[in-house]
Amino acid sequence: ETGVTQTPRHLVMGMTNKKSLKCEQHLGHNAMYWYKQSAKKPLELMFVYSLEERVENNSVPSRFSPECPNSSHLFLHLHTLQPEDSALYLCASSQDRAPRSGEQYFGPGTRLTVT
Amino acid sequence: KNQVEQSPQSLIILEGKNCTLQCNYTVSPFSNLRWYKQDTGRGPVSLTIMTFSENTKSNGRYTATLDADTKQSSLHITASQLSDSASYICVVSRTSGGSYIPTFGRGTSLIVHP
Repeated sequence: ETGVTQTPRHLVMGMTNKKSLKCEQHLGHNAMYWYKQSAKKPLELMFVYSLEERVENNSVPSRFSPECPNSSHLFLHLHTLQPEDSALYLCASSQDRAPRSGEQYFGPGTRLTVT
Repeated sequence: KNQVEQSPQSLIILEGKNCTLQCNYTVSPFSNLRWYKQDTGRGPVSLTIMTFSENTKSNGRYTATLDADTKQSSLHITASQLSDSASYICVVSRTSGGSYIPTFGRGTSLIVHP
């Protein structure tokens, strides 16, 4: 285990549903990330939080809404998603926003299917 | 444009054989290059990290090389095992304005058959 947990591991939702993904890190890190991983595509960075403040939002549609209540928890609120949003959503954490080594620790991901 | 290209896209080998995965990048300015292993249903886990001055780094049966002049890296797996079946992702990072910015490759899917 990497010290980063995600729930749920699998989620099936309709386009009109509202759901939330949860991420928790037990590593004492102060930066957290949401990534989208689609088949045959590189990981896409969605949001970055550093010290609970959002520092990056890579042109993500507003139907994805992140929340970082403290340095250990990160949420991704989902509403009115589209079928093309089906993917593996990965959470990661790192010691600093710009760590010398650049290592991020990833959670196991949430496999999301939008019907 | 900052890009990371990996080849082959997929690879099937027999248990016990060696294999080499390739990573070419155009990321600049270069900070470091990392290889991740991602098992099915899991998040990526770091195997090696290499900075500009490093040419080779090993982690058990995994050996990564870096040629910063040609902007190429390889990951060599020796005496493959069934547990090596996974996706291997090359990530090249640059720094900009004090921030760390990774660029991910699409990954190479490796299947090891008994």
